[in-house]
This record gives sequence, structure tokens and C-alpha cells, in this order.
Amino acid sequence: QKEVEQNSGPLSVPEGAIASLNCTYSDRGSQSFFWYRQYSGKSPELIMFIYSNGDKEDGRFTAQLNKASQYVSLLIRDSQPSDSATYLCAVSYNTDKLIFGTGTRLQVFP
Amino acid sequence: DTEVTQTPKHLVMGMTNKKSLKCEQHMGHRAMYWYKQKAKKPPELMFVYSYEKLSINESVPSRFSPECPNSSLLNLHLHALQPEDSALYLCASSQVTMGTDTQYFGPGTRLTVL
Repeated sequence: QKEVEQNSGPLSVPEGAIASLNCTYSDRGSQSFFWYRQYSGKSPELIMFIYSNGDKEDGRFTAQLNKASQYVSLLIRDSQPSDSATYLCAVSYNTDKLIFGTGTRLQVFP
Repeated sequence: DTEVTQTPKHLVMGMTNKKSLKCEQHMGHRAMYWYKQKAKKPPELMFVYSYEKLSINESVPSRFSPECPNSSLLNLHLHALQPEDSALYLCASSQVTMGTDTQYFGPGTRLTVL
């Protein structure tokens, strides 16, 4: 069974610090990897996706993928209280289905 | 533009009611999805339509009936629901971005079944 695992948290970091969110997946056939941010009571919002080994940067966010170790991470630099949310890792194995992790709750305190 | 709209935002219904949720996207996306999300859980896939045809049904009870009248519109018809069906219902659509099929979610409909 294909699984995606995340630490549920909460992960607490001070404002201005780097938040590091991690995700592991079970199936080596995974193709693409997504990070969504979800504020309480709202819908998931795509932050970024990655499909090649290495790093991908977008503003304060960096996604890192290591297919050999089957993990993907999201780094948030200069964390702000507005970054406090649940971060969902999702993995696609074909074009129409995403497998979600249970999410990591991030708390950024002033 | 990646906007997916959903109506209504909130819906309260009794167990004997029939209601429908609506989802629209005007971005020419190939696929549209229905998800159900309970509190503190990840979204749970219900249905996928690809090119207006149902391609995935995740063994959803028949009291949920999807419909895709055209490439921009997706409906979810609800009938004889149970209180445990109360949840956030999310619609998504997907497009290929840099070779990757990427899903974008609408704002959701908060459903309460009494």
C-alpha cells in the first residue's frame, strides 16, 4: 500500500527562523511531489511541486527531493506568524491520483 | 489563473433532503475532482472526471452522485446523507505545469448533515 508519512507536530519555530518540514513515501514509483498549505477552516493551497532530485526554490520556500532515500522536505526561510498552518505533503503515482500525508502543523511564534 | 469556484460555501441539510454542490473552472483543465475532508485529516479522494468522463470512483456510497455536464462544471448530488457525512467538500481541477499534472483546490463547501 502506498503511504506518505509526516510528523503531525506541532512544529514550533520562532519568527525569522527556518522551518523544516519532512515527508517520507513508500513507493519508489512516485513521480511528483507536492506541498500544500492549509489554514484552519480553509482549502489546501499549492505552495510548490518538485519531481527531480535536488532543490527547488521559490521565494522563501525550498523543496528538497531525495528519491534514493524516499523523502521530500520543505524549508521555509524567515518564518512569519502568517506561515502558521498545516502543511500537507502529497505524492502522485499517476496523473490523476494524489496520496496525501496526514500533514504537519506549523506554529510560528513572535 | 488557477481559480476554482464552489457553491454554496455552507450547506445544512437534513437526512431526507436532496441537495447539490457545484464546482466551476474556466481554465480548460482536463480533470476535475471531488474530495471529502474531515477535521484534522487529509483530503480523501472521492471521484475523478477526466475529459468529462468518470475515471475514478473510490468506492463512494451511492448517496453521493457526481455529474460532469461539461468540461467546466462538476456537480455532486447528495441524497439521504448521514450525520457522519458532515465535512468540508473540496473540488479541484488539474493542469499540466512543467510536465507535472498539478491539482488546484477550490474554497470548499462546508456541509453539515442534521
